[in-house]
Amino acid sequence: DAGITQSPRYKITETGRQVTLMCHQTWSHSYMFWYRQDLGHGLRLIYYSAAADITDKGEVPDGYVVSRSKTENFPLTLESATRSQTSVYFCASSEGGAANTGELFFGEGSRLTVL
Amino acid sequence: GQNIDQPTEMTATEGAIVQINCTYQTSGFNGLFWYQQHAGEAPTFLSYNVLDGLEEKGRFSSFLSRSKGYSYLLLKELQMKDSASYLCAGVDSNYQLIWGAGTKLIIKP
Repeated sequence: DAGITQSPRYKITETGRQVTLMCHQTWSHSYMFWYRQDLGHGLRLIYYSAAADITDKGEVPDGYVVSRSKTENFPLTLESATRSQTSVYFCASSEGGAANTGELFFGEGSRLTVL
Repeated sequence: GQNIDQPTEMTATEGAIVQINCTYQTSGFNGLFWYQQHAGEAPTFLSYNVLDGLEEKGRFSSFLSRSKGYSYLLLKELQMKDSASYLCAGVDSNYQLIWGAGTKLIIKP
């Protein structure tokens, strides 16, 4: 089915472990984004990508790594998970034009708990 | 600094009208978004305003005043399914999105 999908939807891990959250979109949208959402905060941008092989840091990139070898995939890796990275992570995509003037399409979210 | 302010929570009655306000302070301005987010779900797009005035889409309308750094989302004929959080986000001069913390709207019968 067309759309944007994230996996896993739920993940529990331990401090220090590496975790990868996957994001896949079928629209061939140029822009893809990773956000985290925590109670009391707005959505905070971790990383974004304007096209394959082009990525850039957002507001809160520390402790995260991204790659985009194919247009449709944008995985987010926590190299050594910390408790402060417990959050709900949303992947989003956008058709393009000037960044952030188009509608964002969000995945269902990945709820990560770091013990 | 850049900032988006919106009320944390609002309560309204089914069938009534509610206005959710958003004030923004951004370096430059390239538009303002409203998204709806039901509990445990992803945000979904409601509106994008870049020019002053009111834009209506069915029961939902969004208003922008660039001179006042102010926007509101107006929901008419409230239904129980409108219970959700409403996220305001401004686009600054670098085309970065600045998100508010969201307004949780509670609809009572």
